[in-house]
Amino acid sequence: EAQVTQNPRYLITVTGKKLTVTCSQNMNHEYMSWYRQDPGLGLRQIYYSMNVEVTDKGDVPEGYKVSRKEKRNFPLILESPSPNQTSLYFCASGLTGLPYEQYFGPGTRLTVT
Amino acid sequence: GQQLNQSPQSMFIQEGEDVSMNCTSSSIFNTWLWYKQDPGEGPVLLIALYKAGELTSNGRLTAQFGITRKDSFLNISASIPSDVGIYFCAGQLEDSNYQLIWGAGTKLIIKP
Repeated sequence: EAQVTQNPRYLITVTGKKLTVTCSQNMNHEYMSWYRQDPGLGLRQIYYSMNVEVTDKGDVPEGYKVSRKEKRNFPLILESPSPNQTSLYFCASGLTGLPYEQYFGPGTRLTVT
Repeated sequence: GQQLNQSPQSMFIQEGEDVSMNCTSSSIFNTWLWYKQDPGEGPVLLIALYKAGELTSNGRLTAQFGITRKDSFLNISASIPSDVGIYFCAGQLEDSNYQLIWGAGTKLIIKP
């Protein structure tokens, strides 16, 4: 089954404790992206990647890091999480020719206390 | 930053009614997309529009890319309970590079 998977689905952590949210897709997509979703703000892009070893900042990259060492994986790293990073996070993937037609993962709900 | 104004914010409708929602901006877009998000899940692509004036259907859903390239509309005919959810528009700006601007969403609720 074609899908984007994220882990964990739920995470509660404390300020300053480094964490990684994994994202993996099995559709051989070149394009991958991370979003955060907050009430009333829609989806805001954090980082995106056009292919292996190619990443770019989105609208709200501060406080986040990403890496793209393999085509299928695109982990999101929070080196020192803060409460304002409490949010619902989505990973998405798509074909380079149609990067806007994105397939989303199920989401990771992160709470930073 | 750039903004998309999506309206209405929420809708209460009776089963069987037709639904309309739209997104507008002061900027010009090359692409418009409509997604639906069910509770506890990620958004799912419903319709993609790539040309001004384009009218595309997906079952009971119809979306249009506005002639001015600054707006888009989504219509749902004869709504059913499984239409409940949040609908998002997203657009790719004329001068952007692989970034989408998202509306805040329209929450569709069916009256019991």
